[in-house]
Amino acid sequence: SQKIEQNSEALNIQEGKTATLTCNYTNYSPAYLQWYRQDPGRGPVFLLLIRENEKEKRKERLKVTFDTTLKQSLFHITASQPADSATYLCALGTGGSYIPTFGRGTSLIVHP
Amino acid sequence: DTAVSQTPKYLVTQMGNDKSIKCEQNLGHDTMYWYKQDSKKFLKIMFSYNNKELIINETVPNRFSPKSPDKAHLNLHINSLELGDSAVYFCASSPQAGGYNEQFFGPGTRLTVL
Repeated sequence: SQKIEQNSEALNIQEGKTATLTCNYTNYSPAYLQWYRQDPGRGPVFLLLIRENEKEKRKERLKVTFDTTLKQSLFHITASQPADSATYLCALGTGGSYIPTFGRGTSLIVHP
Repeated sequence: DTAVSQTPKYLVTQMGNDKSIKCEQNLGHDTMYWYKQDSKKFLKIMFSYNNKELIINETVPNRFSPKSPDKAHLNLHINSLELGDSAVYFCASSPQAGGYNEQFFGPGTRLTVL
């Protein structure tokens, strides 16, 4: 069965370091992958979309990679700040799907 | 200036009751969605409407009935509430149907069934 895996354990890092979050998938052939940020008590907020033919996408301090061979996406936040603390969700979709399927998210905690 | 708004933000009710959650978007989007986020934080699609037409209807009990009076509104009515319905319900919208589109989420409605 199709599965999206994000680390259920929180990632704790020091301010200024690079945070790296992982999204692994099995039994999927995604055409694209999205990353969202969710703060407690709020709805998810879209961050980046990467397509299957793109290896890497950047936006300010954010970088996403997409490796269809490893069946994995990595989400990086460089020069992390306490304000980056949140849950980050990946979402995968096939070309024919109306909407992506979400992973359960990984909590990031950036310590000052 | 709120893009996607939901009311109420909190809903506490007894088992067996009927309740509604309202959603409105002022972004001019064609497509709207209802998601359920359970205690394990999984965000699961329930319904999607595109230009007032139902395009996604996942395996959801028929106690849940969405209604889209116009493109800017998508309401969710729940009959005979059960304990397992307790969750956070998110409304979202996107410019068009199709997964490549960014989704804009509302603030959520926390439903507690006692």
